[in-house]
Amino acid sequence: EVQLVQSRAEVRKPGESLKISCQASGYTFANYWVGWVRQVPGIGLEWMGVFYPGDSNTHYSPSFQGQVTISADKSTSTAYLQWYSLKDSDTAMYYCARLRSAYYFDAFDVWGQGTMVTVSS
Amino acid sequence: EIVLTQSPGTLSLFPGERATLSCRASQTINNNYLAWYQQKPGQAPRLLIYGASSRATGIPDRFSGSGSGTDFTLTISRLEPEDFAVYYCQQYGRTPKTFGQGTKVEVK
Repeated sequence: EVQLVQSRAEVRKPGESLKISCQASGYTFANYWVGWVRQVPGIGLEWMGVFYPGDSNTHYSPSFQGQVTISADKSTSTAYLQWYSLKDSDTAMYYCARLRSAYYFDAFDVWGQGTMVTVSS
Repeated sequence: EIVLTQSPGTLSLFPGERATLSCRASQTINNNYLAWYQQKPGQAPRLLIYGASSRATGIPDRFSGSGSGTDFTLTISRLEPEDFAVYYCQQYGRTPKTFGQGTKVEVK
């Protein structure tokens, strides 16, 4: 079964750093793009960016470029989303998701269960 | 970036009725790279439709997608109790791959 399992909920203070993870199983991790989507509670979905583990190619939304880092470790089939200095406005649910194919222009067909990040002083 | 506008914001229908959801893009979507997702409370989104009209694996045939260019539609032919949820469209033909703001389908 193809699955993405995300790390647990996190609470941090503004200015702190954080790295959340997304463990993939049931498919060849290197052959599919994996991305991150933000959902502020009660609001809609925002596409943050995607990473291709096969060659480390990365695309970010301009809204998130420079604010987060998306990466992955092929040896553990794990994708990461990292902040170096969190803001209150980063409070949201974060989903990792896999594109349907190795083609960049494709939809997300498998989703993780979400990681809630709360940033509060 | 491409802005997707979904309408209506909320659709109130009885089980068994037909639901028609609209997604309009601010620019032509390349190759009809338009997807629809369903999200229920406390759950991750689920892919229903990709390529504007292709059903994802395991999606019942009461869900259908249509449209091209800038105007797209998701139709649920007969609403089942489990279909009451929020539905999002997404264009994936241009970076950033934006989502619409969602349409909530609720029980009347």
